[in-house]
Amino acid sequence: AQSVTQPDIHITVSEGASLELRCNYSYGATPYLFWYVQSPGQGLQLLLKYFSGDTLVQGIKGFEAEFKRSQSSFNLRKPSVHWSDAAEYFCAVASGGYNKLIFGAGTRLAVHP
Amino acid sequence: DVKVTQSSRYLVKRTGEKVFLECVQDMDHENMFWYRQDPGLGLRLIYFSYDVKMKEKGDIPEGYSVSREKKERFSLILESASTNQTSMYLCASSSIAGDTQYFGPGTRLTVL
Repeated sequence: AQSVTQPDIHITVSEGASLELRCNYSYGATPYLFWYVQSPGQGLQLLLKYFSGDTLVQGIKGFEAEFKRSQSSFNLRKPSVHWSDAAEYFCAVASGGYNKLIFGAGTRLAVHP
Repeated sequence: DVKVTQSSRYLVKRTGEKVFLECVQDMDHENMFWYRQDPGLGLRLIYFSYDVKMKEKGDIPEGYSVSREKKERFSLILESASTNQTSMYLCASSSIAGDTQYFGPGTRLTVL
């Protein structure tokens, strides 16, 4: 069965530090992969997505993610974190038809000044 | 800009009540989805719909039903609310050929 694992439940970084959020997936075919962000009390906003082609994808707010098939990973990175990046981040894989998504449990990011 | 709206941000109901959660999208999307979000579990798919009057069960449909009478509107129904249905409920939509799901702001439901 398809699944998504986000190993880190909580991460704390200092403002200006680099960030990497981990995501591992289990999926038989070529995956469609997504990262979403959820600010407190809000719905989910798409940060970036990977379907095919270049394995390094750029998203909004200065985020990028790299698809590594050999490691079944799609880790999210940002070179310099801002206080406004404090939020919960979800990795997801599209499963089957109708673009159904399977989500990881999420990683909550705290940013220290 | 795609807009997905949900009828209530916060809702408090009593055990046994029938509860309706409404979702409306303004982008003529064919697909609509209902998720529930619980800490440590991420988002789990309850039901989805790929056309008017068409629906399919997701991963956790028990205790829920849905209705889609118009393309832009997708309703989640709790026939008899229970305390274990206290959760955040998120609606999303996507186009038939598209890829991205667009989410509403969520409804935080508390069942007492």
